[in-house]
Amino acid sequence: KAGVTQTPRYLIKTRGQQVTLSCSPISGHRSVSWYQQTPGQGLQFLFEYFSETQRNKGNFPGRFSGRQFSNSRSEMNVSTLELGDSALYLCASSFPAGSTGTGELFFGEGSRLTVL
Amino acid sequence: DQQVKQNSPSLSVQEGRISILNCDYTNSMFDYFLWYKKYPAEGPTFLISISSIKDKNEDGRFTVFLNKSAKHLSLHIVPSQPGDSAVYFCAADGSSNTGKLIFGQGTTLQVKP
Repeated sequence: KAGVTQTPRYLIKTRGQQVTLSCSPISGHRSVSWYQQTPGQGLQFLFEYFSETQRNKGNFPGRFSGRQFSNSRSEMNVSTLELGDSALYLCASSFPAGSTGTGELFFGEGSRLTVL
Repeated sequence: DQQVKQNSPSLSVQEGRISILNCDYTNSMFDYFLWYKKYPAEGPTFLISISSIKDKNEDGRFTVFLNKSAKHLSLHIVPSQPGDSAVYFCAADGSSNTGKLIFGQGTTLQVKP
């Protein structure tokens, strides 16, 4: 079974630009979550989508947005990039709530964004 | 406000000995706790979890202990192996399995041969 796939793996942008990251969940998984990892901050929750609806949102500015398509694939977008947005962006998929009861998330390898 | 804290950024142990990684949390409403392991250039992988109704869960060399009164959990690895060298993240689930986990900052474990 293929794992969570994230593209691109690495990208470099300049301040003010925008970026779109893509995530394909494990087949059959309907929930997709996004996390930002920066040194010293651990993994911080951005948002979670289930059946094309955002169910949860973390404490990030409105420049961070996302969406989910009918095939469960998800994208996140960051507009007006700032230097502090440089981070590893991780996507995770999981079964619908209650189907596993563990809260276990399956992570992709991440997209490493560098803002210059 | 950091709701899940891992106060030790790093830990070094000898192969064959026990590794103990600690995690503290502040929100008593958290009902599930998980440990993830992360190697460089890879995404985190699930290791072991524990429900708030239990105080211990064991899986092979890995055991997680939960002390609700102290709002503290720990991961024990016995015996430690060089392949266990990685960053370990503690996470709490307080949103009924909606994909929102609250992670600690991580502890880098180094197991020396």
